Amino acid sequence: EVQLVESGGGLVQPGGSLRLSCAASGFTFSSYWMHWVRQAPGKGLVWVSRINSDGSSTSYADSVKGRFTISRDNAKNTLYLQMNSLRAEDTAVYYCAREGMAMGTSYYMDVWGKGTTVTVSS
Amino acid sequence: QSALTQPASVSGSPGQSITISCTGTSSDVGSYNLVSWYQQHPGKAPKLMIYEVSKRPSGVSNRFSGSKSGNTASLTISGLQAEDEADYYCCSYAGSSTFGFGGGTKLTVL
Repeated sequence: EVQLVESGGGLVQPGGSLRLSCAASGFTFSSYWMHWVRQAPGKGLVWVSRINSDGSSTSYADSVKGRFTISRDNAKNTLYLQMNSLRAEDTAVYYCAREGMAMGTSYYMDVWGKGTTVTVSS
Repeated sequence: QSALTQPASVSGSPGQSITISCTGTSSDVGSYNLVSWYQQHPGKAPKLMIYEVSKRPSGVSNRFSGSKSGNTASLTISGLQAEDEADYYCCSYAGSSTFGFGGGTKLTVL
Protein backbone atom coordinates (compact mmCIF):
# COMPACT_ATOMS: atom_id res chain seq x y z
CA GLU A 1 0.00 0.00 0.00
CA VAL A 2 1.31 3.41 -0.96
CA GLN A 3 1.63 5.44 2.23
CA LEU A 4 3.07 8.65 3.62
CA VAL A 5 3.29 9.11 7.39
CA GLU A 6 4.30 12.46 8.87
CA SER A 7 5.78 12.93 12.32
CA GLY A 8 7.68 15.48 14.38
CA GLY A 9 4.96 18.03 15.02
CA GLY A 10 4.37 19.58 18.39
CA LEU A 11 4.30 22.75 20.45
CA VAL A 12 7.23 25.13 19.99
CA GLN A 13 7.88 28.67 21.17
CA PRO A 14 8.14 31.57 18.70
CA GLY A 15 11.66 31.72 17.34
CA GLY A 16 12.17 28.02 17.91
CA SER A 17 12.91 25.16 15.54
CA LEU A 18 11.31 21.87 14.62
CA ARG A 19 12.08 19.12 12.12
CA LEU A 20 9.23 17.27 10.45
CA SER A 21 9.67 13.84 8.88
CA CYS A 22 7.60 11.99 6.31
CA ALA A 23 8.15 8.25 5.99
CA ALA A 24 7.25 6.80 2.60
CA SER A 25 6.35 3.20 1.86
CA GLY A 26 4.79 1.12 -0.90
CA PHE A 27 6.51 2.89 -3.79
CA THR A 28 9.99 3.75 -5.07
CA PHE A 29 10.51 6.93 -3.06
CA SER A 30 13.69 7.92 -4.90
CA SER A 31 11.79 8.24 -8.18
CA TYR A 32 9.36 10.93 -7.09
CA TRP A 33 9.42 14.65 -6.46
CA MET A 34 7.86 15.53 -3.10
CA HIS A 35 6.02 18.47 -1.49
CA TRP A 36 5.08 19.95 1.85
CA VAL A 37 1.69 21.65 2.09
CA ARG A 38 0.24 23.24 5.23
CA GLN A 39 -3.21 24.16 6.52
CA ALA A 40 -3.74 26.61 9.35
CA PRO A 41 -6.68 25.89 11.66
CA GLY A 42 -9.93 26.53 9.80
CA LYS A 43 -8.07 27.81 6.75
CA GLY A 44 -7.17 26.58 3.28
CA LEU A 45 -4.26 24.64 1.85
CA VAL A 46 -1.00 26.51 1.28
CA TRP A 47 1.91 25.12 -0.71
CA VAL A 48 5.17 25.28 1.25
CA SER A 49 8.01 23.55 -0.56
CA ARG A 50 9.05 21.08 -3.27
CA ILE A 51 12.08 18.88 -3.81
CA ASN A 52 13.16 16.86 -6.81
CA SER A 53 13.78 13.14 -6.76
CA ASP A 54 17.49 13.22 -5.90
CA GLY A 55 17.33 16.23 -3.60
CA SER A 56 19.43 18.50 -5.79
CA SER A 57 16.69 21.03 -6.53
CA THR A 58 14.36 22.73 -4.04
CA SER A 59 11.80 25.54 -4.07
CA TYR A 60 9.88 27.42 -1.40
CA ALA A 61 6.91 29.69 -0.84
CA ASP A 62 7.98 33.27 -0.16
CA SER A 63 6.48 33.05 3.33
CA VAL A 64 8.99 30.39 4.44
CA LYS A 65 12.01 31.09 2.23
CA GLY A 66 15.15 31.46 4.30
CA ARG A 67 13.53 29.86 7.37
CA PHE A 68 12.50 26.38 6.17
CA THR A 69 14.65 23.76 4.46
CA ILE A 70 13.30 20.73 2.62
CA SER A 71 15.52 17.67 2.24
CA ARG A 72 15.28 13.94 1.72
CA ASP A 73 17.15 10.74 2.48
CA ASN A 74 16.36 8.28 -0.30
CA ALA A 75 18.17 5.48 1.52
CA LYS A 76 15.74 5.92 4.41
CA ASN A 77 12.69 6.67 2.24
CA THR A 78 12.14 9.82 4.26
CA LEU A 79 11.33 13.45 3.46
CA TYR A 80 12.17 16.22 5.92
CA LEU A 81 11.21 19.82 6.63
CA GLN A 82 13.53 21.74 8.92
CA MET A 83 11.67 24.74 10.28
CA ASN A 84 13.62 27.55 11.97
CA SER A 85 12.65 30.97 13.33
CA LEU A 86 9.10 29.77 13.75
CA ARG A 87 6.26 32.28 14.01
CA ALA A 88 2.72 32.06 15.27
CA GLU A 89 1.51 32.16 11.67
CA ASP A 90 3.36 28.90 10.97
CA THR A 91 0.84 27.10 13.17
CA ALA A 92 -0.79 24.51 10.93
CA VAL A 93 -1.21 20.90 9.98
CA TYR A 94 1.70 20.01 7.72
CA TYR A 95 1.09 17.45 4.98
CA CYS A 96 3.67 15.74 2.83
CA ALA A 97 2.54 14.82 -0.65
CA ARG A 98 3.93 12.88 -3.58
CA GLU A 99 4.09 14.41 -7.02
CA GLY A 100 2.18 12.30 -9.48
CA MET A 101 4.70 10.80 -11.88
CA ALA A 102 7.73 8.63 -11.34
CA MET A 103 10.97 9.65 -13.00
CA GLY A 104 9.68 13.05 -14.01
CA THR A 105 7.66 16.09 -13.07
CA SER A 106 3.91 16.14 -13.15
CA TYR A 107 2.80 19.24 -11.20
CA TYR A 108 0.07 17.59 -9.14
CA MET A 109 0.00 15.72 -5.85
CA ASP A 110 -1.48 12.25 -6.01
CA VAL A 111 -0.69 10.79 -2.59
CA TRP A 112 -0.99 12.65 0.70
CA GLY A 113 -0.15 11.82 4.28
CA LYS A 114 -2.54 12.44 7.15
CA GLY A 115 -0.53 15.38 8.44
CA THR A 116 1.29 16.41 11.60
CA THR A 117 0.29 19.40 13.71
CA VAL A 118 2.68 22.23 14.50
CA THR A 119 1.69 24.82 17.08
CA VAL A 120 3.84 27.89 17.60
CA SER A 121 2.93 29.60 20.84
CA SER A 122 4.48 30.89 24.04
CA GLN B 1 2.86 33.86 -4.99
CA SER B 2 -0.78 34.86 -4.73
CA ALA B 3 -3.61 32.59 -3.76
CA LEU B 4 -6.05 31.67 -6.49
CA THR B 5 -9.60 32.97 -6.05
CA GLN B 6 -12.45 30.55 -5.39
CA PRO B 7 -15.98 31.20 -4.15
CA ALA B 8 -16.23 30.57 -0.42
CA SER B 9 -19.24 28.32 -0.80
CA VAL B 10 -21.53 26.69 -3.31
CA SER B 11 -24.53 24.47 -2.81
CA GLY B 12 -26.79 22.20 -4.77
CA SER B 13 -29.44 19.54 -4.37
CA PRO B 14 -28.85 15.85 -4.94
CA GLY B 15 -28.80 15.06 -8.65
CA GLN B 16 -28.00 18.62 -9.68
CA SER B 17 -24.75 19.92 -11.16
CA ILE B 18 -22.53 22.60 -9.67
CA THR B 19 -19.45 24.40 -10.90
CA ILE B 20 -16.64 25.83 -8.80
CA SER B 21 -14.47 28.50 -10.37
CA CYS B 22 -10.78 29.16 -9.71
CA THR B 23 -9.41 32.45 -10.96
CA GLY B 24 -5.72 33.11 -11.23
CA THR B 25 -3.55 35.28 -13.42
CA SER B 26 -1.64 35.10 -16.67
CA SER B 27 1.36 33.98 -14.58
CA ASP B 28 -0.26 30.81 -13.28
CA VAL B 29 -3.61 29.44 -14.47
CA GLY B 30 -3.42 31.36 -17.73
CA SER B 31 0.09 30.20 -18.58
CA TYR B 32 -0.03 26.50 -17.82
CA ASN B 33 -2.46 23.64 -18.32
CA LEU B 34 -1.35 22.44 -14.90
CA VAL B 35 -4.39 23.01 -12.73
CA SER B 36 -5.37 20.31 -10.26
CA TRP B 37 -8.35 19.96 -7.92
CA TYR B 38 -8.49 18.38 -4.47
CA GLN B 39 -11.39 17.25 -2.30
CA GLN B 40 -11.03 17.42 1.47
CA HIS B 41 -13.52 16.05 3.96
CA PRO B 42 -13.36 17.44 7.53
CA GLY B 43 -10.36 16.15 9.42
CA LYS B 44 -9.07 14.22 6.43
CA ALA B 45 -6.19 14.59 4.02
CA PRO B 46 -6.84 16.11 0.59
CA LYS B 47 -7.63 13.77 -2.31
CA LEU B 48 -6.70 14.40 -5.92
CA MET B 49 -9.79 14.68 -8.12
CA ILE B 50 -8.58 16.33 -11.34
CA TYR B 51 -5.11 17.00 -12.76
CA GLU B 52 -3.79 18.82 -15.81
CA VAL B 53 -7.05 20.81 -16.02
CA SER B 54 -9.35 17.98 -17.06
CA LYS B 55 -7.81 14.55 -16.44
CA ARG B 56 -9.31 12.21 -13.84
CA PRO B 57 -7.15 9.83 -11.82
CA SER B 58 -8.12 6.20 -11.78
CA GLY B 59 -10.93 5.62 -9.29
CA VAL B 60 -12.41 9.11 -9.39
CA SER B 61 -16.02 9.22 -10.54
CA ASN B 62 -16.71 10.55 -14.03
CA ARG B 63 -19.20 12.89 -12.39
CA PHE B 64 -16.18 15.12 -11.75
CA SER B 65 -14.83 17.13 -14.68
CA GLY B 66 -12.52 20.07 -15.17
CA SER B 67 -12.00 22.81 -17.72
CA LYS B 68 -10.14 26.07 -18.22
CA SER B 69 -10.69 29.30 -20.09
CA GLY B 70 -8.10 32.04 -19.93
CA ASN B 71 -7.12 32.69 -16.34
CA THR B 72 -10.06 30.75 -14.87
CA ALA B 73 -10.31 27.03 -14.27
CA SER B 74 -13.51 25.26 -13.27
CA LEU B 75 -14.53 22.05 -11.55
CA THR B 76 -17.97 20.67 -12.37
CA ILE B 77 -19.67 17.98 -10.34
CA SER B 78 -22.71 16.44 -11.96
CA GLY B 79 -25.35 14.24 -10.34
CA LEU B 80 -24.54 15.61 -6.88
CA GLN B 81 -24.44 13.05 -4.10
CA ALA B 82 -24.39 13.49 -0.35
CA GLU B 83 -20.80 12.22 -0.16
CA ASP B 84 -19.65 15.05 -2.42
CA GLU B 85 -20.16 17.48 0.45
CA ALA B 86 -16.61 18.62 1.24
CA ASP B 87 -14.12 21.42 0.72
CA TYR B 88 -12.59 21.72 -2.75
CA TYR B 89 -9.28 23.36 -3.59
CA CYS B 90 -7.74 24.25 -6.91
CA CYS B 91 -3.99 24.37 -7.38
CA SER B 92 -1.92 25.73 -10.25
CA TYR B 93 1.72 25.62 -11.18
CA ALA B 94 3.02 29.20 -11.04
CA GLY B 95 6.43 28.88 -12.65
CA SER B 96 9.90 28.62 -11.11
CA SER B 97 8.92 25.36 -9.41
CA THR B 98 6.28 27.09 -7.27
CA PHE B 99 2.61 26.39 -6.80
CA GLY B 100 -0.48 28.22 -5.57
CA PHE B 101 -3.67 26.92 -4.06
CA GLY B 102 -7.08 28.53 -4.08
CA GLY B 103 -8.69 29.59 -0.83
CA GLY B 104 -11.09 26.67 -0.97
CA THR B 105 -14.81 26.25 -1.62
CA LYS B 106 -17.20 24.58 0.78
CA LEU B 107 -19.73 22.48 -1.11
CA THR B 108 -23.02 21.88 0.65
CA VAL B 109 -25.41 19.25 -0.66
CA LEU B 110 -28.87 20.42 0.36
